[in-house]
Amino acid sequence: DTAVSQTPKYLVTQMGNDKSIKCEQNLGHDTMYWYKQDSKKFLKIMFSYNNKELIINETVPNRFSPKSPDKAHLNLHINSLELGDSAVYFCASRPGTSGSQQFFGPGTRLTVL
Amino acid sequence: QKEVEQNSGPLSVPEGAIASLNCTYSDRGSQSFFWYRQYSGKSPELIMSIYSNGDKEDGRFTAQLNKASQYVSLLIRDSQPSDSATYLCAVSSGGSNYKLTFGKGTLLTVNP
Repeated sequence: DTAVSQTPKYLVTQMGNDKSIKCEQNLGHDTMYWYKQDSKKFLKIMFSYNNKELIINETVPNRFSPKSPDKAHLNLHINSLELGDSAVYFCASRPGTSGSQQFFGPGTRLTVL
Repeated sequence: QKEVEQNSGPLSVPEGAIASLNCTYSDRGSQSFFWYRQYSGKSPELIMSIYSNGDKEDGRFTAQLNKASQYVSLLIRDSQPSDSATYLCAVSSGGSNYKLTFGKGTLLTVNP
């Protein structure tokens, strides 16, 4: 029944490693997002895909690479992890209708040691 | 740079009181306005959306929008300890590259 799911829920890794976070939504939504929430709770958009097409790419280091194999999935791959990448990463989705709300996944807490 | 400003708080109110949360935004073209509630360790959940000037009520929650003043607020009546959370204001300008810009959130504590 989960609408937006993410895996893993927790991710602890060493600096310099490469890791991926997966997101899936079963709501039939057209648009998916990745957000980063830092330790001060500031939620900032990173990427957005609409029907597998990248439509928003905020100022994010190119070590972060999103990939959408189909419109129900949006994965985030991070190369050469740095201490500052430690945060909670939220996936979200919304229907294509303008003004509609976004539904958030449970989040992935990434800790880089 | 489009910005959304909120008082970071913390805001502390006694149980049963009215909690008032405020938000201002910089983009005059903004069209959609949302209030999300986020409990510690959880994801944001939508509690109110508002698109036109005036008030919108839903149970104990009332959202108020004043586009001329670029101001949106959330009132919580009869506050309960379960309302204790961080409240995030989010604003969107719509269009094909639809995205939400969030404020930094206001931490609300309702004391029994």
